[in-house]
Amino acid sequence: EVQLVESGGGLVQPGRSLRLSCAASGFTFDDYAMHWVRQAPGKGLEWVSGISWNSGNIGYADSVRGRLTISRDNAKNSVYLQMNSLRAEDTALYYCVKGLSSTWLYYFDYWGQGTQVTVSS
Amino acid sequence: EIVLTQSPGTLSLSPGERATLSCRASQIVSGNYLAWYQQKPGQTPRLLVYGASSRATGIPDRFSGSGSGTDFTLTISRLEPEDFAVYYCQYYGSSLTFGGGTKVEIK
Repeated sequence: EVQLVESGGGLVQPGRSLRLSCAASGFTFDDYAMHWVRQAPGKGLEWVSGISWNSGNIGYADSVRGRLTISRDNAKNSVYLQMNSLRAEDTALYYCVKGLSSTWLYYFDYWGQGTQVTVSS
Repeated sequence: EIVLTQSPGTLSLSPGERATLSCRASQIVSGNYLAWYQQKPGQTPRLLVYGASSRATGIPDRFSGSGSGTDFTLTISRLEPEDFAVYYCQYYGSSLTFGGGTKVEIK
Protein backbone atom coordinates (compact mmCIF):
# COMPACT_ATOMS: atom_id res chain seq x y z
CA GLU A 1 0.00 0.00 0.00
CA VAL A 2 1.35 3.40 -1.02
CA GLN A 3 1.79 5.76 1.91
CA LEU A 4 2.94 9.35 1.88
CA VAL A 5 3.33 10.95 5.30
CA GLU A 6 4.09 14.65 5.53
CA SER A 7 5.58 16.44 8.52
CA GLY A 8 7.16 19.74 9.45
CA GLY A 9 4.23 22.12 9.12
CA GLY A 10 3.26 24.67 11.73
CA LEU A 11 2.79 28.32 12.57
CA VAL A 12 5.62 30.58 11.41
CA GLN A 13 6.12 34.32 11.21
CA PRO A 14 6.38 36.10 7.86
CA GLY A 15 9.92 36.10 6.53
CA ARG A 16 10.93 32.98 8.45
CA SER A 17 11.72 29.50 7.16
CA LEU A 18 10.23 26.04 7.44
CA ARG A 19 11.22 22.63 6.08
CA LEU A 20 8.60 20.09 5.11
CA SER A 21 9.36 16.39 4.85
CA CYS A 22 7.51 13.51 3.22
CA ALA A 23 8.24 9.87 3.98
CA ALA A 24 7.16 7.48 1.23
CA SER A 25 6.55 3.74 1.35
CA GLY A 26 4.79 1.02 -0.58
CA PHE A 27 6.40 1.65 -3.97
CA THR A 28 9.84 1.87 -5.56
CA PHE A 29 10.54 5.47 -4.61
CA ASP A 30 13.42 6.15 -7.00
CA ASP A 31 11.30 5.16 -10.01
CA TYR A 32 8.97 8.13 -9.70
CA ALA A 33 8.88 11.89 -9.66
CA MET A 34 7.48 13.55 -6.55
CA HIS A 35 5.63 16.81 -6.03
CA TRP A 36 4.30 19.29 -3.53
CA VAL A 37 0.80 20.66 -4.11
CA ARG A 38 -0.90 23.13 -1.79
CA GLN A 39 -4.46 24.11 -1.04
CA ALA A 40 -5.36 27.25 0.86
CA PRO A 41 -8.44 27.03 3.11
CA GLY A 42 -11.57 26.81 0.98
CA LYS A 43 -9.56 27.28 -2.23
CA GLY A 44 -8.41 25.19 -5.16
CA LEU A 45 -5.31 23.14 -5.81
CA GLU A 46 -2.02 24.84 -6.62
CA TRP A 47 0.97 22.86 -7.87
CA VAL A 48 4.08 24.11 -6.04
CA SER A 49 7.05 22.06 -7.20
CA GLY A 50 8.10 18.74 -8.71
CA ILE A 51 11.33 16.75 -8.84
CA SER A 52 12.28 13.94 -11.19
CA TRP A 53 13.37 10.50 -10.00
CA ASN A 54 17.07 11.36 -9.88
CA SER A 55 16.74 15.07 -9.00
CA GLY A 56 17.98 15.87 -12.51
CA ASN A 57 14.93 17.93 -13.44
CA ILE A 58 13.02 20.22 -11.13
CA GLY A 59 10.10 22.56 -11.69
CA TYR A 60 8.54 25.35 -9.65
CA ALA A 61 5.41 27.45 -9.82
CA ASP A 62 6.17 31.10 -10.55
CA SER A 63 4.65 32.07 -7.20
CA VAL A 64 7.34 30.20 -5.23
CA ARG A 65 10.41 30.18 -7.49
CA GLY A 66 13.44 31.54 -5.66
CA ARG A 67 11.91 31.05 -2.18
CA LEU A 68 11.02 27.36 -2.05
CA THR A 69 13.41 24.50 -2.84
CA ILE A 70 12.46 20.89 -3.43
CA SER A 71 14.89 18.02 -2.87
CA ARG A 72 14.82 14.28 -2.37
CA ASP A 73 16.88 11.54 -0.75
CA ASN A 74 16.26 8.24 -2.50
CA ALA A 75 18.21 6.35 0.16
CA LYS A 76 15.69 7.56 2.74
CA ASN A 77 12.61 7.39 0.48
CA SER A 78 11.92 11.01 1.31
CA VAL A 79 11.19 14.29 -0.40
CA TYR A 80 11.57 17.72 1.16
CA LEU A 81 10.43 21.30 0.67
CA GLN A 82 12.63 24.04 2.08
CA MET A 83 10.50 27.13 2.46
CA ASN A 84 12.28 30.47 2.91
CA SER A 85 11.03 34.06 3.10
CA LEU A 86 7.54 32.85 3.89
CA ARG A 87 4.55 35.07 3.17
CA ALA A 88 0.96 35.10 4.38
CA GLU A 89 -0.12 33.83 0.96
CA ASP A 90 1.89 30.65 1.52
CA THR A 91 -0.63 29.63 4.19
CA ALA A 92 -2.11 26.33 3.01
CA LEU A 93 -2.32 22.59 3.46
CA TYR A 94 0.72 21.15 1.72
CA TYR A 95 0.31 17.75 0.08
CA CYS A 96 3.11 15.39 -0.87
CA VAL A 97 2.11 13.79 -4.17
CA LYS A 98 3.47 10.91 -6.22
CA GLY A 99 3.72 11.28 -9.97
CA LEU A 100 2.95 8.47 -12.38
CA SER A 101 6.25 8.84 -14.22
CA SER A 102 9.93 9.35 -13.55
CA THR A 103 9.66 12.83 -15.02
CA TRP A 104 7.89 15.61 -13.12
CA LEU A 105 5.86 16.69 -16.16
CA TYR A 106 3.12 14.14 -15.63
CA TYR A 107 -0.09 13.54 -13.75
CA PHE A 108 -0.49 12.24 -10.21
CA ASP A 109 -1.82 9.13 -8.55
CA TYR A 110 -1.26 9.14 -4.78
CA TRP A 111 -1.58 12.00 -2.29
CA GLY A 112 -0.58 12.28 1.35
CA GLN A 113 -2.97 13.72 3.92
CA GLY A 114 -1.08 16.99 4.04
CA THR A 115 0.67 19.18 6.58
CA GLN A 116 -0.68 22.61 7.49
CA VAL A 117 1.53 25.68 7.11
CA THR A 118 0.27 28.92 8.60
CA VAL A 119 2.24 32.13 8.08
CA SER A 120 1.16 34.81 10.51
CA SER A 121 2.64 37.25 12.98
CA GLU B 1 2.52 29.61 -19.17
CA ILE B 2 -0.83 27.97 -19.81
CA VAL B 3 -3.78 29.12 -17.70
CA LEU B 4 -6.75 26.80 -17.29
CA THR B 5 -10.23 28.29 -16.79
CA GLN B 6 -12.96 25.98 -15.56
CA SER B 7 -16.66 26.65 -15.96
CA PRO B 8 -19.13 26.86 -14.49
CA GLY B 9 -17.87 27.57 -11.00
CA THR B 10 -20.78 25.66 -9.54
CA LEU B 11 -23.14 23.18 -11.20
CA SER B 12 -26.42 22.37 -9.41
CA LEU B 13 -27.91 19.10 -10.60
CA SER B 14 -30.00 16.18 -9.36
CA PRO B 15 -28.89 12.55 -9.12
CA GLY B 16 -29.38 10.81 -12.45
CA GLU B 17 -28.77 13.98 -14.47
CA ARG B 18 -25.89 14.53 -16.88
CA ALA B 19 -23.04 16.83 -15.84
CA THR B 20 -20.87 18.66 -18.35
CA LEU B 21 -17.78 20.42 -17.01
CA SER B 22 -15.59 22.66 -19.13
CA CYS B 23 -11.86 23.37 -18.97
CA ARG B 24 -10.47 25.98 -21.36
CA ALA B 25 -6.74 26.54 -21.85
CA SER B 26 -5.16 29.89 -22.69
CA GLN B 27 -2.96 28.19 -25.33
CA ILE B 28 -3.19 25.02 -27.36
CA VAL B 29 -2.55 21.92 -25.25
CA SER B 30 -0.25 19.84 -27.40
CA GLY B 31 -0.27 16.09 -26.89
CA ASN B 32 -3.58 16.32 -25.01
CA TYR B 33 -1.65 16.58 -21.73
CA LEU B 34 -4.81 17.19 -19.72
CA ALA B 35 -6.03 15.33 -16.63
CA TRP B 36 -9.12 15.54 -14.43
CA TYR B 37 -9.35 14.95 -10.67
CA GLN B 38 -12.24 14.64 -8.22
CA GLN B 39 -12.00 15.94 -4.66
CA LYS B 40 -14.64 15.25 -2.03
CA PRO B 41 -14.81 17.27 1.22
CA GLY B 42 -12.08 16.23 3.64
CA GLN B 43 -10.47 13.91 1.09
CA THR B 44 -7.49 14.06 -1.20
CA PRO B 45 -7.98 14.37 -4.96
CA ARG B 46 -8.51 11.26 -7.08
CA LEU B 47 -7.32 10.91 -10.67
CA LEU B 48 -10.23 10.35 -13.06
CA VAL B 49 -8.93 10.98 -16.57
CA TYR B 50 -5.52 11.50 -18.19
CA GLY B 51 -4.49 12.23 -21.75
CA ALA B 52 -7.77 14.16 -22.06
CA SER B 53 -9.85 11.02 -22.59
CA SER B 54 -8.30 7.95 -20.93
CA ARG B 55 -10.03 6.81 -17.75
CA ALA B 56 -7.77 5.99 -14.82
CA THR B 57 -7.82 2.55 -13.24
CA GLY B 58 -11.04 1.77 -11.40
CA ILE B 59 -12.95 4.82 -12.62
CA PRO B 60 -16.57 4.04 -13.61
CA ASP B 61 -17.46 4.43 -17.27
CA ARG B 62 -20.04 7.12 -16.47
CA PHE B 63 -17.02 9.45 -16.36
CA SER B 64 -15.65 10.46 -19.76
CA GLY B 65 -13.19 13.06 -20.94
CA SER B 66 -13.05 14.67 -24.35
CA GLY B 67 -11.63 17.61 -26.23
CA SER B 68 -8.46 18.85 -27.84
CA GLY B 69 -6.65 22.08 -28.60
CA THR B 70 -7.86 24.55 -26.00
CA ASP B 71 -11.29 23.13 -25.06
CA PHE B 72 -11.76 20.08 -22.89
CA THR B 73 -14.80 18.52 -21.24
CA LEU B 74 -15.47 16.10 -18.42
CA THR B 75 -18.88 14.45 -18.69
CA ILE B 76 -20.61 12.45 -15.99
CA SER B 77 -23.39 10.63 -17.83
CA ARG B 78 -25.68 9.97 -14.85
CA LEU B 79 -24.83 11.51 -11.52
CA GLU B 80 -24.61 9.14 -8.58
CA PRO B 81 -24.84 10.49 -4.99
CA GLU B 82 -21.09 9.94 -4.53
CA ASP B 83 -20.24 12.11 -7.56
CA PHE B 84 -21.12 15.41 -5.87
CA ALA B 85 -17.69 16.92 -5.37
CA VAL B 86 -15.22 19.44 -6.76
CA TYR B 87 -13.52 18.64 -10.06
CA TYR B 88 -10.18 20.02 -11.26
CA CYS B 89 -8.49 19.88 -14.62
CA GLN B 90 -4.70 19.83 -14.79
CA TYR B 91 -2.24 20.59 -17.59
CA TYR B 92 1.03 18.63 -17.50
CA GLY B 93 2.75 19.44 -20.78
CA SER B 94 5.46 22.11 -20.69
CA SER B 95 4.53 23.09 -17.14
CA LEU B 96 2.10 21.99 -14.45
CA THR B 97 -1.04 23.88 -13.50
CA PHE B 98 -4.55 23.29 -12.20
CA GLY B 99 -7.79 24.95 -13.15
CA GLY B 100 -9.80 26.71 -10.47
CA GLY B 101 -12.28 23.87 -10.07
CA THR B 102 -15.99 23.22 -10.65
CA LYS B 103 -18.20 22.26 -7.73
CA VAL B 104 -20.98 19.83 -8.58
CA GLU B 105 -23.67 20.21 -5.93
CA ILE B 106 -27.02 18.60 -5.30
CA LYS B 107 -29.91 20.65 -6.57
